[in-house]
Amino acid sequence: AQSVTQPDIHITVSEGASLELRCNYSYGATPYLFWYVQSPGQGLQLLLKYFSGDTLVQGIKGFEAEFKRSQSSFNLRKPSVHWSDAAEYFCAVVLGKYGGSQGNLIFGKGTKLSVKP
Amino acid sequence: KAGVTQTPRYLIKTRGQQVTLSCSPISGHRSVSWYQQTPGQGLQFLFEYFSETQRNKGNFPGRFSGRQFSNSRSEMNVSTLELGDSALYLCASSPQGGTQYFGPGTRLTVL
Repeated sequence: AQSVTQPDIHITVSEGASLELRCNYSYGATPYLFWYVQSPGQGLQLLLKYFSGDTLVQGIKGFEAEFKRSQSSFNLRKPSVHWSDAAEYFCAVVLGKYGGSQGNLIFGKGTKLSVKP
Repeated sequence: KAGVTQTPRYLIKTRGQQVTLSCSPISGHRSVSWYQQTPGQGLQFLFEYFSETQRNKGNFPGRFSGRQFSNSRSEMNVSTLELGDSALYLCASSPQGGTQYFGPGTRLTVL
């Protein structure tokens, strides 16, 4: 079955340090890939997405992600973390299109990011 | 544009009752998807509606149902509530071929 794995349940980094959150997917073809962020009590905000083309994708809030087909990975990175980045991060895939929409997202379990001052 | 809105934001029900949650998509978006988020199971896809038709359905019992209206607004209904239905229910909308944008969710507590 198709799945998304985020190996790290909880990560703590110091403010100003770099960040990498891992995401691996299991799927026979290249899926559409997303990273979302969720602050406590809030919905999900889209950080970035990958459909095709350049494997390094830039998103909002200074985040980027790199798609590596050989490793079935889509890791999220940020060069310098801010205290406001503390939140939970979800990697998601959708398995192709249906009539042009991507309505069936499969999510990883999430990685909670804590930021030390 | 206004974002996805969900009502109510918080809801408390007792076992055996039924509940209806509402979602208003971003203007112009015709697809609405619903997800359940729990600490144990994480985020799970419930169903997707497009132009008033259910297009995809997740692995949930028949107690979970939904519908979409001609103005793209959507409702989901859960009948015969169980304690395990306590969750954050998230709605997302997307234009055809677009990316999903999520609302703030409805927090349902079943006592």
